Amino acid sequence: ETGVTQTPRHLVMGMTNKKSLKCEQHLGHNAMYWYKQSAKKPLELMFVYSLEERVENNSVPSRFSPECPNSSHLFLHLHTLQPEDSALYLCASSQDPGPNTDTQYFGPGTRLTVL
Amino acid sequence: AQKVTQAQTEISVVEKEDVTLDCVYETRDTTYYLFWYKQPPSGELVFLIRRNSFDEQNEISGRYSWNFQKSTSSFNFTITASQVVDSAVYFCALSEAQRGATNKLIFGTGTLLAVQP
Repeated sequence: ETGVTQTPRHLVMGMTNKKSLKCEQHLGHNAMYWYKQSAKKPLELMFVYSLEERVENNSVPSRFSPECPNSSHLFLHLHTLQPEDSALYLCASSQDPGPNTDTQYFGPGTRLTVL
Repeated sequence: AQKVTQAQTEISVVEKEDVTLDCVYETRDTTYYLFWYKQPPSGELVFLIRRNSFDEQNEISGRYSWNFQKSTSSFNFTITASQVVDSAVYFCALSEAQRGATNKLIFGTGTLLAVQP
C-alpha cells in the first residue's frame, strides 16, 4: 500500500469556491507537512503538524487553513484563492518533526488550478 | 542562512550514458543532513538518500552513487548507465539538526533529467 496518499489528484476551482485537500499516511508517523510547489520555484514548506498539533506556520495566507484530526490525516481547506495559488500541493510525513531530522516521505500531490 | 543550489536546470543524455547532478549547499551549522529526492512526471517525490554531516563516505546503490565533499559543500549524485526510467526532476535538500526546531527541509530548484532512448 502506498505510504502517503492524497486526494484529489487534480482540482480546478474558481476564486469564490471552497474546497479541501486530503492527505493520509499509512506509515505510523507522528508528523505531517504541507508543501507548495510552484513552477520554477523551490518547494515551500507551509505547515508542520506534530501529534495533531500545529508546530509551524510559514507565513501562509489565511485563505489556506490546515486541519489535523489525528496523526494519520491532514487536510488543507481552501477558500477565496487567487490564481497565483495554482500549484502542486504536496503532503509529507515523518516519524517525528525534529530535531533529529527524520526522513520525510511524500505523497503524489494535488495539482490545483485556480481560475 | 541555509541554501541549496542546483545550478543545472536541465540535462539531456542518451541512454547508457553516465550523468552527474550537482548540488552545493550553504549552512552555518556543523550538524546537518542532506537528501536527494526524485520527482517523476507523476508528481510524487521519491526519497533516494539521506546523509548526515559526519558521514563523508561515498555511497553506492545499484546504478546510483553519491559523492559528499564537506570541503566544497557539495553532495553530487551520479547515475551510471542511465535509463529512460531515470527521466525525472531531481531535488537536493538540506536540513539542520537544531535542538527544539522542527524538521525543515530546504530544497534546491531541481534538475530536470531527460534520458533519450
